[in-house]
Amino acid sequence: EADIYQTPRYLVIGTGKKITLECSQTMGHDKMYWYQQDPGMELHLIHYSYGVNSTEKGDLSSESTVSRIRTEHFPLTLESARPSHTSQYLCASSDRRLAEKETQYFGPGTRLLVL
Amino acid sequence: EDQVTQSPEALRLQEGESSSLNCSYTVSGLRGLFWYRQDPGKGPEFLFTLYSAGEEKEKERLKATLTKKESFLHITAPKPEDSATYLCAVFDRGSTLGRLYFGRGTQLTVWP
Repeated sequence: EADIYQTPRYLVIGTGKKITLECSQTMGHDKMYWYQQDPGMELHLIHYSYGVNSTEKGDLSSESTVSRIRTEHFPLTLESARPSHTSQYLCASSDRRLAEKETQYFGPGTRLLVL
Repeated sequence: EDQVTQSPEALRLQEGESSSLNCSYTVSGLRGLFWYRQDPGKGPEFLFTLYSAGEEKEKERLKATLTKKESFLHITAPKPEDSATYLCAVFDRGSTLGRLYFGRGTQLTVWP
């Protein structure tokens, strides 16, 4: 079972607020990812990281930022929340050293509602 | 351009009624195909990874198979607790290292 944690699990916030979604993993995985998922739709990659101080943008990243200062921590920040940001945000990690390479393990998700 | 297509979108089975879910993909060079189970309000839970055509993996009532163009998730004698959304994802050899492309999932409901 993967040890990957996300906080908060649920968040209701007003338009224009700055928010940070936390993600941490205790497995020492080198890669970490953020996805956005809407009901009935596929997961969309927002950001990913190969390791400390390495981050890349995905498909839906233009309105958020990430940082990877420590291996185990990969926070996602929305500078100014909008109702269009309402969604579920999923964090994942993987490790190339494992036998089943590229297998991603997911956290429980953060459900965000922007009013 | 869809790279991963799952069918059906939804499937209702009676307990004990076996069936299969399909995942077809159009990536140029497959480096791995992944199956996940997702319960409402939770993150996807890893089930299987398949790397080459002909490969099969089993876990309890689930069996995943892979061909050059598609994968099947066979569910034998399902139980109500198997109800969930099953997601398929592929890792494309031509993609940036570490990117998976997901399908929209098949929502499975097993009723007693």
